[in-house]
Amino acid sequence: DGGITQSPKYLFRKEGQNVTLSCEQNLNHDAMYWYRQDPGQGLRLIYYSQIVNDFQKGDIAEGYSVSREKKESFPLTVTSAQKNPTAFYLCATDGAGANVLTFGAGSRLTVL
Amino acid sequence: QKEVEQNSGPLSVPEGAIASLNCTYSDRVSQSFFWYRQYSGKSPELIMSIYSNGDKEDGRFTAQLNKASQYVSLLIRDSQPSDSATYLCAVSGMDSNYQLIWGAGTKLIIKP
Repeated sequence: DGGITQSPKYLFRKEGQNVTLSCEQNLNHDAMYWYRQDPGQGLRLIYYSQIVNDFQKGDIAEGYSVSREKKESFPLTVTSAQKNPTAFYLCATDGAGANVLTFGAGSRLTVL
Repeated sequence: QKEVEQNSGPLSVPEGAIASLNCTYSDRVSQSFFWYRQYSGKSPELIMSIYSNGDKEDGRFTAQLNKASQYVSLLIRDSQPSDSATYLCAVSGMDSNYQLIWGAGTKLIIKP
C-alpha cells in the first residue's frame, strides 16, 4: 500500500529541546518537501530535496535541519533555535516534478 | 514578495447550490495553478490543476483560469455537506523557482 508515513502524529516538546519528525515514503518519488502550517496562514516551505544527498532551503529554514540519506526518508529536526515551533508539519512528495503533491497525515508539534 | 490571496471565509452555501471560490496571485509569470482541499485536522489533497486560460472540468469541479486578470477560481456544482472543508489555492512559476506559493485558504461550509 503506497503512501507517506509521518510520525509521530502528536509531539510535545519542552523549550530548549531538539525534536525530529519522521517522513517515510514508498511511492518511489524523487522530490520530498517539508511544510509548516499555522492557523490562518498558507503552507510555508521549510526544506525540499529533489535527489538523495541533496536538499535546499525553503522560505523559513532557520531553526530547522534535514537530511536525505535514502530516497525513502526525509527527516526534519526542529532545533532549539526555532523560536516558535508550535505548528502542524506536513511532509509531501512529488513524483512527476510537476508540483502535484501527495501529503502525509502530518505531525502536530506543541511546545510546552 | 510573491503572494496568493484568498478570502478566508467562511463561505456558506446551501446544499445543492454552486460554490464559487476565488484566488488572485501577484506573479504575472506564474505558470501552474492548483486547488487542494483540506478537511479540519487533516492534510491537503489535490482536487484540480490548471495550466492554460479557460475552464477545466472534472466531475462536479470546474477550475477557471484568467492569466490576464491574474485570478483562478474553483466552482463546485451540486454542493454536498462532504464538500465542507478549507480550499487552498497554490501557484508556481519560474520566479518562485517552481516552488508552490500557497494562499491561506477559504473555509467552505455547505448547509444541509
